[in-house]
Amino acid sequence: DVKVTQSSRYLVKRTGEKVFLECVQDMDHENMFWYRQDPGLGLRLIYFSYDVKMKEKGDIPEGYSVSREKKERFSLILESASTNQTSMYLCASSPPGLALSYEQYFGPGTRLTVT
Amino acid sequence: SQQGEEDPQALSIQEGENATMNCSYKTSINNLQWYRQNSGRGLVHLILIRSNEREKHSGRLRVTLDTSKKSSSLLITASRAADTASYFCATVSNSGNTPLVFGKGTRLSVIA
Repeated sequence: DVKVTQSSRYLVKRTGEKVFLECVQDMDHENMFWYRQDPGLGLRLIYFSYDVKMKEKGDIPEGYSVSREKKERFSLILESASTNQTSMYLCASSPPGLALSYEQYFGPGTRLTVT
Repeated sequence: SQQGEEDPQALSIQEGENATMNCSYKTSINNLQWYRQNSGRGLVHLILIRSNEREKHSGRLRVTLDTSKKSSSLLITASRAADTASYFCATVSNSGNTPLVFGKGTRLSVIA
């Protein structure tokens, strides 16, 4: 079974802190994604990555950056956390190839609270 | 740029009844996918239907796709309390290699 893990289930940070959210997948997937999920807004794509060191902006990249140094790991970075970044963050991966159309496998999510 | 819109936003049924959720979208698609999310957890892929398919089954799930109406439906038959979750449709555009776009979901409650 594909396994996507996220470093924390719950995280509380202070405004202005630099925050790292880590995601690791164990199925050699080339494509990885970061979403945030807010009530009434559904899932919104922040960034995605086709391959190591590749990254593409999603719909809401402002205030975030990402890092993909190894194929299995995709990190989301909040350079200076703000209260409006309080949210559920979901990481996902999908199989290789011309495969943004393939099904995605999700991690359990990180609920981040910024105070 | 959210494309899929689920309807209804919330649905409450008795155990054993069938649950139907609908998804409408705006542009031509390569495929449409349905996901389930249990409260506070990640999403789980349920089923994928390609643009040249009209119906697909998986266990108690039946998905239909009408590309002329740009809509899809997810039917869960003989629902169980464990089916209580949010259900999302996600579409893949036909234009280029672009990521899935998720709708806002239908919240299904199955009452025992």
